[in-house]
Amino acid sequence: DQQVKQNSPSLSVQEGRISILNCDYTNSMFDYFLWYKKYPAEGPTFLISISSIKDKNEDGRFTVFLNKSAKHLSLHIVPSQPGDSAVYFCAASAFTNQGGKLIFGQGTELSVKP
Amino acid sequence: EAQVTQNPRYLITVTGKKLTVTCSQNMNHEYMSWYRQDPGLGLRQIYYSMNVEVTDKGDVPEGYKVSRKEKRNFPLILESPSPNQTSLYFCASSPDYPIPIYEQYFGPGTRLTVT
Repeated sequence: DQQVKQNSPSLSVQEGRISILNCDYTNSMFDYFLWYKKYPAEGPTFLISISSIKDKNEDGRFTVFLNKSAKHLSLHIVPSQPGDSAVYFCAASAFTNQGGKLIFGQGTELSVKP
Repeated sequence: EAQVTQNPRYLITVTGKKLTVTCSQNMNHEYMSWYRQDPGLGLRQIYYSMNVEVTDKGDVPEGYKVSRKEKRNFPLILESPSPNQTSLYFCASSPDYPIPIYEQYFGPGTRLTVT
């Protein structure tokens, strides 16, 4: 049973516009959420995170929103740039209860067109 | 240079032949973890280690073993590989602060094919 779901396998956006990547989860015990970016032939790299006590975290062009009642988080990239083209994974952890266990979604491939 | 290294990068083997994929980090990180990436399934955690001599199962531990005898190394062992373990494997590490599962640094990946 997939506890973290990214229902859009791919997303195409024009350069300069906003990219919105979505992620849903089922486990209400999750208390930390993260986004990772992955380029082909490389390992994932950490992008941004949020704890369950917040509903928004911002870092430059990247903002993560958390809606606990809907068990939904989203990553906004504004403005989108061609270099943002990559696969984006959301991940969740019930760290307080389960320590270092981390559950990833299936990933969304973002393509930013010039 | 701060990094996570994995060896080998590519491996083709046959069913049942024991193999080890090594992982080493030079950042003095407490936490280390192994993942496999498969199409349509994303990244799935195999095992993780919060500290030396402390390991725990992730989501898909069956068919794998790990050990953490020293802080920098976290080898992944496949005692009797099977074709369903054909995958892209990633090792990762992270500091203990603020919490171990936050900013993980990933290795470049090991492409394993079991025939």
